Amino acid sequence: GAVVSQHPSRVICKSGTSVKIECRSLDFQATTMFWYRQFPKKSLMLMATSNEGSKATYEQGVEKDKFLINHASLTLSTLTVTSAHPEDSSFYICSATAANYGYTFGSGTRLTVV
Amino acid sequence: ILNVEQSPQSLHVQEGDSTNFTCSFPSSNFYALHWYRWETAKSPEALFVMTLNGDEKKKGRISATLNTKEGYSYLYIKGSQPEDSATYLCAFPHSGNTGKLIFGQGTTLQVKP
Repeated sequence: GAVVSQHPSRVICKSGTSVKIECRSLDFQATTMFWYRQFPKKSLMLMATSNEGSKATYEQGVEKDKFLINHASLTLSTLTVTSAHPEDSSFYICSATAANYGYTFGSGTRLTVV
Repeated sequence: ILNVEQSPQSLHVQEGDSTNFTCSFPSSNFYALHWYRWETAKSPEALFVMTLNGDEKKKGRISATLNTKEGYSYLYIKGSQPEDSATYLCAFPHSGNTGKLIFGQGTTLQVKP
C-alpha cells in the first residue's frame, strides 16, 4: 500500500529558531500534499494545500510567512516553521494524495518550542 | 464553513462490548465520507470510504453505515478488543475525491481488558 514518511517525529527547538518538517511519499507520486495541525483536544485543522511546482494555498488564518511550505517534487513536501514561538508548539501531520491512491498520512511531528 | 461533528468525544468500554459512534456532516454537495483509525504514534489508517447513500461496509469486526440524505454515518465495533483502542476520525472531502479533508474531532475509544 501507499506509504508516507514524515520526519522528524519529535523535535524540540528554542524560541526564535526555525524547524523543517519533511513529508515523503515513498512508493507513489503525490500530486497534492496537505498539512494539518492538531490543537489539544481538537480535530485536525488543515493549514495548507500544496501541489508540486506551485505555491501552496493557505487556509484562512494561517500565516504563510510563518509556515513555509515547499513542494519541490512529486514525492517531497516540507513545512518550515520560521521563528518558532511557544504558541507554535503543536502536532503537525501531512497527508499525500493522488488519483487511485486516496489519502495517505504521515505519522506526524510533535513540535515543542521552549 | 463545513462542519463535521463526531460523538461521543470519548468512550470507555469493557472487552467484548459492542459499541458505536456517530459522524455528522453536511448533506449537501456530498462526495464521500472517510473513516480513519488513529493509534498513538502511528499514521491514521484508512478504514472505509463511503460514497453511496445506504452503503454499509465491513472490515472484520468493524462496520460503517452511511445516510447522505440526513448527513450521518455510524461506525460499529462488535465485540471490542483492547487492540481496538484508538481514536476514530471521520472526514469529509471539501470538493472532489482529492480535495482537502475536513475532519471531525474524533472519538477516542478505550477498551479495558
